[in-house]
Amino acid sequence: AQRVTQPEKLLSVFKGAPVELKCNYSYSGSPELFWYVQYSRQRLQLLLRHISRESIKGFTADLNKGETSFHLKKPFAQEEDSAMYYCALRQEGNMLTFGGGTRLMVKP
Amino acid sequence: SAVISQKPSRDICQRGTSLTIQCQVDSQVTMMFWYRQQPGQSLTLIATANQGSEATYESGFVIDKFPISRPNLTFSTLTVSNMSPEDSSIYLCSAAVGEETQYFGPGTRLLVL
Repeated sequence: AQRVTQPEKLLSVFKGAPVELKCNYSYSGSPELFWYVQYSRQRLQLLLRHISRESIKGFTADLNKGETSFHLKKPFAQEEDSAMYYCALRQEGNMLTFGGGTRLMVKP
Repeated sequence: SAVISQKPSRDICQRGTSLTIQCQVDSQVTMMFWYRQQPGQSLTLIATANQGSEATYESGFVIDKFPISRPNLTFSTLTVSNMSPEDSSIYLCSAAVGEETQYFGPGTRLLVL
């Protein structure tokens, strides 16, 4: 069965420090992975998807099939990055399996 | 992209009653889904709302408890039936066109007393 694991519930860093939010998955098929973000009092929104191989708001994520990981990284965190981040795996039928989420707090 | 609205945004209900949540999309979409997010937890898929046919439920969710309708390509409802305090959650609707990105509604925050 598919599973998405985000080992850290809370990650606290200072402004300007590098950030890495971890995501590991298990899936028997060909994975398609996403990062969603939820800022305070806003709805859940897509941050990036692995097939796009793009950088959004300075964030990047690389799919590592050998390690079954899709970690989210940003070299210099900003206070406005503070939010809940969810890693999600898409399976057949466009259904998403979400990880438990990581709350990122960027301190001034 | 698709803009999704949900009604109500929040409600407080008595145990044993039922609540119907509406989800409206501003454009025609092929896929609509309902998720639940219990306090302090992640999102869990309840079911896929199928247009013109019965919804497809995930393990642990049944039609008698969570009846779903989808009469057309832009609208769906989720009913939480015979509620108990354990049903207190945020219920989210999402929509996608085929295999495209899923967009989420703002959620309905439900508290059952």
